[in-house]
Amino acid sequence: NAGVTQTPKFQVLKTGQSMTLQCAQDMNHEYMSWYRQDPGMGLRLIHYSVGAGITDQGEVPNGYNVSRSTTEDFPLRLLSAAPSQTSVYFCASARTSGNTIYFGEGSWLTVV
Amino acid sequence: DQQVKQNSPSLSVQEGRISILNCDYTNSMFDYFLWYKKYPAEGPTFLISISSIKDKNEDGRFTVFLNKSAKHLSLHIVPSQPGDSAVYFCAASVSGSNYKLTFGKGTLLTVNP
Repeated sequence: NAGVTQTPKFQVLKTGQSMTLQCAQDMNHEYMSWYRQDPGMGLRLIHYSVGAGITDQGEVPNGYNVSRSTTEDFPLRLLSAAPSQTSVYFCASARTSGNTIYFGEGSWLTVV
Repeated sequence: DQQVKQNSPSLSVQEGRISILNCDYTNSMFDYFLWYKKYPAEGPTFLISISSIKDKNEDGRFTVFLNKSAKHLSLHIVPSQPGDSAVYFCAASVSGSNYKLTFGKGTLLTVNP
């Protein structure tokens, strides 16, 4: 059971470049989300989805796009990367009827 | 405005002693609380949780206490072990959105042998 899988694990981007962080889960969870973790800031919710075709904004959505075409996948897109988006990104999933969120191992993104 | 606060960025304890990590919240709508543990270069992993209908939940060496009137919860680890050294995040959610967590900034626990 792979759980929540994120790719890539490490990425360096130049300012203005675009990229997609991939996230997949094999637990048939309805809920998926993206968080970012910055030093001294804890984890902050970027975007989330409660099912295929449904997405919504979290606490810090600016500069990021998401879509949910399948239950399994929830990619996070940076359309024009900025140094302020240098962070560690975590994808998570859960059953909407449950109380526990399961996290991926993280993606380290540096924007120079 | 931070709704979940962990005011101690770090805590150091001796192996075998008790570790107490604290968390305060401001949103009265929160009714479910969780603790996550995070090792470097790994994702957070669920540790223990408590519903607002309880004031204590225990799981092995880990106990979470909830004081609703003070909007305060704490995680007790007894006895502490070197493998417990990690960052601990307090998180909270609201009924109907149990999957949408608000996190504190975390406390780095170091357990010294």
